[in-house]
Amino acid sequence: AQKITQTQPGMFVQEKEAVTLDCTYDTSDPSYGLFWYKQPSSGEMIFLIYQGSYDQQNATEGRYSLNFQKARKSANLVISASQLGDSAMYFCAMRPSTDKLIFGTGTRLQVFP
Amino acid sequence: NAGVTQTPKFQVLKTGQSMTLQCAQDMNHEYMSWYRQDPGMGLRLIHYSVGAGITDQGEVPNGYNVSRSTTEDFPLRLLSAAPSQTSVYFCASSWNSEGGKLFFGSGTQLSVL
Repeated sequence: AQKITQTQPGMFVQEKEAVTLDCTYDTSDPSYGLFWYKQPSSGEMIFLIYQGSYDQQNATEGRYSLNFQKARKSANLVISASQLGDSAMYFCAMRPSTDKLIFGTGTRLQVFP
Repeated sequence: NAGVTQTPKFQVLKTGQSMTLQCAQDMNHEYMSWYRQDPGMGLRLIHYSVGAGITDQGEVPNGYNVSRSTTEDFPLRLLSAAPSQTSVYFCASSWNSEGGKLFFGSGTQLSVL
C-alpha cells in the first residue's frame, strides 16, 4: 500500500534558524515523485519542491531543500534561515508512477521572533 | 491563465440535500482530483481522473460521485449531504506523470447542518 507519514504534528523554530520537517513514505513502485506543499492560514496550497525517485541530487528551491534518503524512504524538508512568513502547515505528498497523489497529515510550523 | 477554478467558495447545506461542486482547469491537464481536508487528517483523496471518461475512487469515496465528460471539467456531486461531509474541499489538476505537481483550486468550505 502507498502511504505517507508525517510524525510531527507541530514544530517551533526561531527566526533565522534552520528547521527540518520529517516525512517517510512507503511504496513498491520503483518510480515515484515526492512533493512538499505549504498551506498558510489563508488556506491556499502552495507547491514548494519536487524530488524524483531517480534523481541523484537532492532538490533545492531557494531556502527549501529536500533531504532524500531513498534506502530509508525518507524525504525531509529543510527550511534554512526561517522567516515569520514560513509559519504554516506543511504537507508531504507522494505520487507513484502515473497514479494518484497522496498526502501526509501535515506538520504545523510556527516561527517565533 | 485562470488555472483551476473551483466554485462555490462557501456553501451551507441541510442534511439530505444534494449539490455539485464545480471544478474547471484551462491547462489541458489529464489528471484531476478532489480532496477533502479535515483537522488532523491532512488531505484525503475522494475521487480522481486520469483523463476524460476515466474516473477512480480514492481513499474516502462514499457519499460522493464524479464524472469526467471533458478534459476541462471534473464536478463533484454530494448525493445526500450528511454532517460528516462538513469539510474543506479542494480540486486539483496536473499532468499525468510521477513528476506532475498539483495545481489547486482555492477550496470550498462546506457545512452540512
